[in-house]
Amino acid sequence: AQSVAQPEDQVNVAEGNPLTVKCTYSVSGNPYLFWYVQYPNRGLQFLLKYITGDNLVKGSYGFEAEFNKSQTSFHLKKPSALVSDSALYFCAVRDMMNNDMRFGAGTRLTVKP
Amino acid sequence: DAGITQSPRYKITETGRQVTLMCHQTWSHSYMFWYRQDLGHGLRLIYYSAAADITDKGEVPDGYVVSRSKTENFPLTLESATRSQTSVYFCASSEKLAGHEQYFGPGTRLTVT
Repeated sequence: AQSVAQPEDQVNVAEGNPLTVKCTYSVSGNPYLFWYVQYPNRGLQFLLKYITGDNLVKGSYGFEAEFNKSQTSFHLKKPSALVSDSALYFCAVRDMMNNDMRFGAGTRLTVKP
Repeated sequence: DAGITQSPRYKITETGRQVTLMCHQTWSHSYMFWYRQDLGHGLRLIYYSAAADITDKGEVPDGYVVSRSKTENFPLTLESATRSQTSVYFCASSEKLAGHEQYFGPGTRLTVT
């Protein structure tokens, strides 16, 4: 079965600095990869996804992520963090060969003014 | 307003009682999902449905029952609630599986005493 690892429980960055939230995955076939964001007391919101094609995908709110097949990674990035980016971020993977989507445990991003 | 709604938003129940969480979506999406969110585990899939009258187990189905008589509704029932089922429950929907993102409801916080 596929799995996702988010190695950092917490990421702290200063406003205006670049941010990276890490995600690595394991699948038996080719992956579909997703990033979601969760604000307090809200459901998850879709940010971006990788299906095929260009390894760099751009999503909502200025976020982007790079698919790296050799390193089985899909790190989320943003060139300049905002305080309003502070939230819980989840990486998810679906193997093209089955119907299961697996989520990582989440990374709490805190952006300080 | 179109979207995906869950009710109730908060529920406290006693061990052994039956409780049903409701989920309603207005997009006519084929697929609907139930997840539970627990600290350190991210989201785990309980059940999903590909269409009316078609349901399948996810990663953690024990103790839960689902039904889908209409495309727009996907209730989740805890037949005899246990303390280990204290969690935040999210319903989600998507047009298709594969590379399609899911849209999440606001969640139901369930406490079993």
